Amino acid sequence: LAKTTQPISMDSYEGQEVNITCSHNNIATNDYITWYQQFPSQGPRFIIQGYKTKVTNEVASLFIPADRKSSTLSLPRVSLSDTAVYYCLVGGVRDDKIIFGKGTRLHILP
Amino acid sequence: DGGITQSPKYLFRKEGQNVTLSCEQNLNHDAMYWYRQDPGQGLRLIYYSQIVNDFQKGDIAEGYSVSREKKESFPLTVTSAQKNPTAFYLCASRVDFGQEKLFFGSGTQLSVL
Repeated sequence: LAKTTQPISMDSYEGQEVNITCSHNNIATNDYITWYQQFPSQGPRFIIQGYKTKVTNEVASLFIPADRKSSTLSLPRVSLSDTAVYYCLVGGVRDDKIIFGKGTRLHILP
Repeated sequence: DGGITQSPKYLFRKEGQNVTLSCEQNLNHDAMYWYRQDPGQGLRLIYYSQIVNDFQKGDIAEGYSVSREKKESFPLTVTSAQKNPTAFYLCASRVDFGQEKLFFGSGTQLSVL
């Protein structure tokens, strides 16, 4: 399983676009990149998953460069309710053991 | 509605006592997981199971035990051997094909009296 590195914490303001970058230098050919969001005292929630280039859904966008050694989660026009911990995971769809890192603690300011 | 149910929401353990956390899912998922989360920290994998009657240790299995007698259920027992059990425990299940996508329960907060 590829190891990931994310910033420990980030601050931003309401209405701004927030980009959280995840480094995964040892990503394997069949690995996907998945992001989860976790609010205090709740379980993480799946946000987005991608393999290459760009993926967009109603919540976020995921940008993956050609070498796939990093990825960027983009949250458009954040609000106070986007304050949460965001986890980047890298692994194959058949990986049994799913490991979470420490995540990025995002704090949105008014 | 389909989902994962964890119970109880809060649990207190006395010294030397074993306690069992319940996790039930009606999503028809084969794979299930248990994670532990300490305050301000990420999730750490305790045990996981890909199929009924089979399970594997995660990174911090010492002091814990599990069973998987039914596809829907994956209970976690915190034994007296776990000397620092106070934490938030999360159960998850996974779609077994197509995506590495976990669905989580709402968690159980375990505290020591």
